[in-house]
Amino acid sequence: DIQMTQSPSLLSASVGDRVTLSCKASQNIYKYLNWYQQKLGEAPKLLIYYTNSLQTGIPSRFSGSGSGTDYTLTISSLQPEDVATYFCQQYNSWPTFGAGTKLELK
Amino acid sequence: QVTLKESGPGILQPSQTLSLTCTFSGFSLSTYGMGVGWIRQPSGKGLEWLANIWWDDDKYYNPSLKNRLTISKDTSNNQAFLKITNVDTADTATYYCARRGTTGIPTDYFDYWGQGVMVTVSS
Repeated sequence: DIQMTQSPSLLSASVGDRVTLSCKASQNIYKYLNWYQQKLGEAPKLLIYYTNSLQTGIPSRFSGSGSGTDYTLTISSLQPEDVATYFCQQYNSWPTFGAGTKLELK
Repeated sequence: QVTLKESGPGILQPSQTLSLTCTFSGFSLSTYGMGVGWIRQPSGKGLEWLANIWWDDDKYYNPSLKNRLTISKDTSNNQAFLKITNVDTADTATYYCARRGTTGIPTDYFDYWGQGVMVTVSS
């Protein structure tokens, strides 16, 4: 199976900061990568699909990039409502998720 | 409006069979390209994909659990089901069903999720 490694596991940032979350695959996943946001006690929500496509209704401050084995989720200006855990998921093979990055306010 | 809701037994004993139901609305599993997946999450931990069923009744399973899983659907009643045999404490988790959607190749994602159902395996 394809292993997904997310870093950092915990990120503290201030409102207005530009935040970058990383996701690394154990092999080339050809941009078959999605990002989800999970707030405490809620189900995951799709943010970004196929590396850089913004899901309908998601604020434009979220963006994705990457290729090969290395992918990034960027929040251009952190808002209080962005406090959550973020998961990447590949679908080049049967779906696997990263362990998540927990984003908190500094 | 797409909604999904999971239901299950809440608690069961080791070695029993876990039966989960996903009741959905706003889409049909008879529509080309549609699928429903099951994903679980132990408390405080990450997400693990379990199985998927597609509009054409094609089924895919997590290889590490494949011999314990059975996924099925009832298209006329907008439901999908998952059975996990011989459960143990490691199967304690919140279980989610999610619509597996696409806007066409190469996109493929879980775009709508249920609220999840907690399942505890305990003697």
